[in-house]
Amino acid sequence: GAVVSQHPSRVICKSGTSVKIECRSLDFQATTMFWYRQFPKQSLMLMATSNEGSKATYEQGVEKDKFLINHASLTLSTLTVTSAHPEDSSFYICSASGTGKGNYGYTFGSGTRLTVV
Amino acid sequence: DQQVKQNSPSLSVQEGRISILNCDYTNSMFDYFLWYKKYPAEGPTFLISISSIKDKNEDGRFTVFLNKSAKHLSLHIVPSQPGDSAVYFCAASRSSGNTPLVFGKGTRLSVIA
Repeated sequence: GAVVSQHPSRVICKSGTSVKIECRSLDFQATTMFWYRQFPKQSLMLMATSNEGSKATYEQGVEKDKFLINHASLTLSTLTVTSAHPEDSSFYICSASGTGKGNYGYTFGSGTRLTVV
Repeated sequence: DQQVKQNSPSLSVQEGRISILNCDYTNSMFDYFLWYKKYPAEGPTFLISISSIKDKNEDGRFTVFLNKSAKHLSLHIVPSQPGDSAVYFCAASRSSGNTPLVFGKGTRLSVIA
């Protein structure tokens, strides 16, 4: 089956620093990547949608200069949280859709727990 | 504006009995629905899906029912097992794989041995 590898699984960083989260599709081509964040006991909220080779489309209220998304290849997408602050502490999850030996829709990474101190 | 609603934040069921998790949606453009199981600090695990052309889809102990006129779907788990204890999310999209999923807030299922 389709697998999306997300790293790191957990990161603690100092306020003001930047953190990069990677998502790789291991056995299919991820033409579309969705990035979500989840606050404790809340739903998964869509942050942005990115198609390979194109600029990401951000949801209302999500700062594109703060959450930089790069989807330069069909197997890799990255989310960089720039100048992180404690309020950015959350659980970030990627989801990929694409093609390979079949059609793969909505395969999720394992998530990244970001804590900004 | 919450387009996908799971009105029960939690549900407790005895082992061996049926678990029924409910989900309502408001956007009539949704035509593909999925259920995910999630543990804390992990990504969602896909359970079962259904497209709007069907009203039922079954996979082992899991069955999803879709009532389009009521904009309602439900996930039935039978028999329930302690390992089923997790948070279950209902999600919807306007087409399979091409548009982002919209999630409900989840229902925490506890299966009691």
